[in-house]
Amino acid sequence: KQEVTQIPAALSVPEGENLVLNCSFTDSAIYNLQWFRQDPGKGLTSLLLIQSSQREQTSGRLNASLDKSSGRSTLYIAASQPGDSATYLCAVPSGGGADGLTFGKGTHLIIQP
Amino acid sequence: EAGVVQSPRYKIIEKKQPVAFWCNPISGHNTLYWYRQNLGQGPELLIRYENEEAVDDSQLPKDRFSAERLKGVDSTLKIQPAELGDSAVYLCASSFLRNEQFFGPGTRLTVL
Repeated sequence: KQEVTQIPAALSVPEGENLVLNCSFTDSAIYNLQWFRQDPGKGLTSLLLIQSSQREQTSGRLNASLDKSSGRSTLYIAASQPGDSATYLCAVPSGGGADGLTFGKGTHLIIQP
Repeated sequence: EAGVVQSPRYKIIEKKQPVAFWCNPISGHNTLYWYRQNLGQGPELLIRYENEEAVDDSQLPKDRFSAERLKGVDSTLKIQPAELGDSAVYLCASSFLRNEQFFGPGTRLTVL
C-alpha cells in the first residue's frame, strides 16, 4: 500500500526566504507526482505535475524535483511571500493499477510579513 | 475554461438523514474522482469513474454510500443514512486519462 510522508508538518519563516518542502513515498512504481496547494476552507489547487520520466518541473518561483528510485520529491519555493501561506500537499498514484491519488498530510506553511 | 463545479458548498444535517453532493467535471475529462478529507489529513479516494463506469470503489463504504455518473459527465455522491463520523469535506476531481487531476472547491458536511 502506497504511503506518503511530508516533512516538516509545519513551517513558519520570514518573507523573502527560500524554502524546501519534502515528500517521500513508499512505492516507487509511480507514473507521476503532483504538488497541490490548499488554502483554508478551499479545495486543492494543482501547482506542478512531474511525470516519472522527468527529474524536475518549474512554474514561476516553484520548482519541484523527483527522485523516483529513492522515493523522494522536493518542492522549492524561491523568495517566499505572505501570499504563499497555505498547506502544501504531495500526492502520488496509489499503485496496483489504481489511478486515485494517495496524499501526504501536508506541510502547513506560514510566511511572516 | 470552467473548473470542477461542486454543490452545495456547505451542508448541515442531523444524523440518520440522507445527503447528496453533485459534481460537474471539466469538459472533456473522462475520469472523475470523489475524495473525502478529514480535518488535518490529506484527501482519501472514495471512488473513481472512467466515463460512466466505476473502476475503483474499494474505499467506498457501500452500506451507506452510493454514487452514480450518468452519461459519463455529472456525478452524484449520496450518503444514507449519515453518521456523525461522516463529517468531512467531500472533494470531486477530474482528469483526462492519467493526467493532472483538478479539484473542485469541495462540500463541507457537518452531521449533528
